[in-house]
Amino acid sequence: GEDVEQSLFLSVREGDSSVINCTYTDSSSTYLYWYKQEPGAGLQLLTYIFSNMDMKQDQRLTVLLNKKDKHLSLRIADTQTGDSAIYFCAAVKAAGNKLTFGGGTRVLVKP
Amino acid sequence: DTEVTQTPKHLVMGMTNKKSLKCEQHMGHRAMYWYKQKAKKPPELMFVYSYEKLSINESVPSRFSPECPNSSLLNLHLHALQPEDSALYLCASSQEGMRLANTDTQYFGPGTRLTVL
Repeated sequence: GEDVEQSLFLSVREGDSSVINCTYTDSSSTYLYWYKQEPGAGLQLLTYIFSNMDMKQDQRLTVLLNKKDKHLSLRIADTQTGDSAIYFCAAVKAAGNKLTFGGGTRVLVKP
Repeated sequence: DTEVTQTPKHLVMGMTNKKSLKCEQHMGHRAMYWYKQKAKKPPELMFVYSYEKLSINESVPSRFSPECPNSSLLNLHLHALQPEDSALYLCASSQEGMRLANTDTQYFGPGTRLTVL
């Protein structure tokens, strides 16, 4: 089955860029997602990328997909204290609705 | 509008109680999901309803009983739970169900924080 891996923790200074990395194993994954979860809250969809794309930009967020290496990254420009949260990468195949989540990356933004 | 609502926000129950969690969406989505999330872990899929029919049950114990009364509502009935069932229960919905080849983005509710004493 699909396996999605993320690094556990990232510390970044306010105003710097953050880059969160994710790897997945199933090359037939068609959609790859980034969700944000603040303490005690649900998951907020940040962005997603379809597997035939290699980049998607949405305001401060840039998603890069290297399909050959099965590597996904989320770059947050001008990181703010409100960006402190857990970020989950998730993958799904076209033929099913089961999301496979990575373990989550805890991002801490220091003033 | 991409809102999924869940009630209650918090629930404390004893092991002999019966309670229900509720989830609602008015986006016209035809697939709805229940996830369980333990602290510092990713969500784990429990059930999927597609076009109001149960399509996936991830071997969840029978003390959890899902119900989809209509396309906008999803319930999770709880009975004789154990303390290890304490977790954040998340509901999600997506536009199309498993009948179709395409998959769709899942939108999550804020969750119900359940504590079993």
